[in-house]
Amino acid sequence: EVQLLESGGGLVQPGGSLRLSCAASGFTFSTYAMAWVRQAPGKGLEWVSAISGSGSTTYYGDSVKGRITISRDNSKNLVYLQMNSLRGEDTAPYYCARGRLYGSGTYYSFDKWGQGTMVTVSS
Amino acid sequence: EIVLTQSPATLSLSPGERATLSCRASQSVSSYLAWYQQKPGQAPRLLIYDSSNRATGIPARFSGSGSGTDFTLTISSLEPEDFAVYYCQQRSNWITFGQGTRLEIK
Repeated sequence: EVQLLESGGGLVQPGGSLRLSCAASGFTFSTYAMAWVRQAPGKGLEWVSAISGSGSTTYYGDSVKGRITISRDNSKNLVYLQMNSLRGEDTAPYYCARGRLYGSGTYYSFDKWGQGTMVTVSS
Repeated sequence: EIVLTQSPATLSLSPGERATLSCRASQSVSSYLAWYQQKPGQAPRLLIYDSSNRATGIPARFSGSGSGTDFTLTISSLEPEDFAVYYCQQRSNWITFGQGTRLEIK
């Protein structure tokens, strides 16, 4: 069974940093892209970042570009999201998701999701 | 950025009825459109990928259609567990989501 378990969320002051982790199990981790998607309270879904299976290619949404770094450790089945210069509008649960190309295209759909880790940016 | 506009914002129907949800893209996304279901307090669940392909384990009452800029998610006969928020997502040019359609019990 595929499982994605996020951790690392919490309360951080504006301008602070946080590193989220996602532990994956139940599939061959290195052969799948991974991504982070967030959802501001009461709002819709917003894609944040994605990384290819090998880790050689990364993608970032416009609202976080320059402040966030995605990485992965295929030996440990972990994906990370390093977030810096955090703002109030970054407050959201952050979901880890498995990315799929289904044989074509460059960007991903997301077929498995974790339950999310909450990030709150407030003084 | 490709903007996805979902309609209606809220759809009120009864169990057993047919639901038709729409997603319109600001420019062509070919067939690179997915649909997700999200219930309160839960993560999203993939229903349909690449316009018309049901994801693993998704019941046959869910179907998707469309290409280019206009897409439809149809639920043929609503079950009580289908009342939720539905999002479309394109992966043609970066990744964006629609704002969601809330399907509520009438």
